[in-house]
Amino acid sequence: DTAVSQTPKYLVTQMGNDKSIKCEQNLGHDTMYWYKQDSKKFLKIMFSYNNKELIINETVPNRFSPKSPDKAHLNLHINSLELGDSAVYFCASGLATQETQYFGPGTRLLVL
Amino acid sequence: QKEVEQNSGPLSVPEGAIASLNCTYSDRGSQSFFWYRQYSGKSPELIMFIYSNGDKEDGRFTAQLNKASQYVSLLIRDSQPSDSATYLCAVNNNDYKLSFGAGTTVTVRA
Repeated sequence: DTAVSQTPKYLVTQMGNDKSIKCEQNLGHDTMYWYKQDSKKFLKIMFSYNNKELIINETVPNRFSPKSPDKAHLNLHINSLELGDSAVYFCASGLATQETQYFGPGTRLLVL
Repeated sequence: QKEVEQNSGPLSVPEGAIASLNCTYSDRGSQSFFWYRQYSGKSPELIMFIYSNGDKEDGRFTAQLNKASQYVSLLIRDSQPSDSATYLCAVNNNDYKLSFGAGTTVTVRA
């Protein structure tokens, strides 16, 4: 059973397009996250939701809009994709602030 | 100043040796500390967490925390080729957010 899953695994698209990435966790966690890992492998948090409520929004362009329909799902919609959006996007989930976070397999986004 | 800094590496060690990874953090109020391992093309996976000053051992891995010096380290004993990966230090400030270092790439030479 996959604990944290993401779709799609790979996404290749043109500049200016709109795309979505979906994340689901079956761990019963109440907090979910989106991270971006750039080409230098630096992993940086973008958003966090706790019980469907946005609690972290880390200076991310408003072209990025997360949505959490329920505690087990967190989606990321990106409008007007730019070349600099090319990266690996990881979803993660956790139980409480001091607990570990479990990462999904990542979505590799390439904007041409 | 970056929130979490790691020695840049890459770190190359012979098989069977000890690999020593270092991490410093800037927020003195940080509560919990994590080491993640990331193989190339894969997602980060947790290998150790530590909350209290001192050492914590798990198999071949030992995490060391010194809050006064704002320093956390990871020792990998009897290094194996399968330990070759990037190791990410992460710090939690009790605000739902993990701050990651840039990672140290370790290569274990057979």
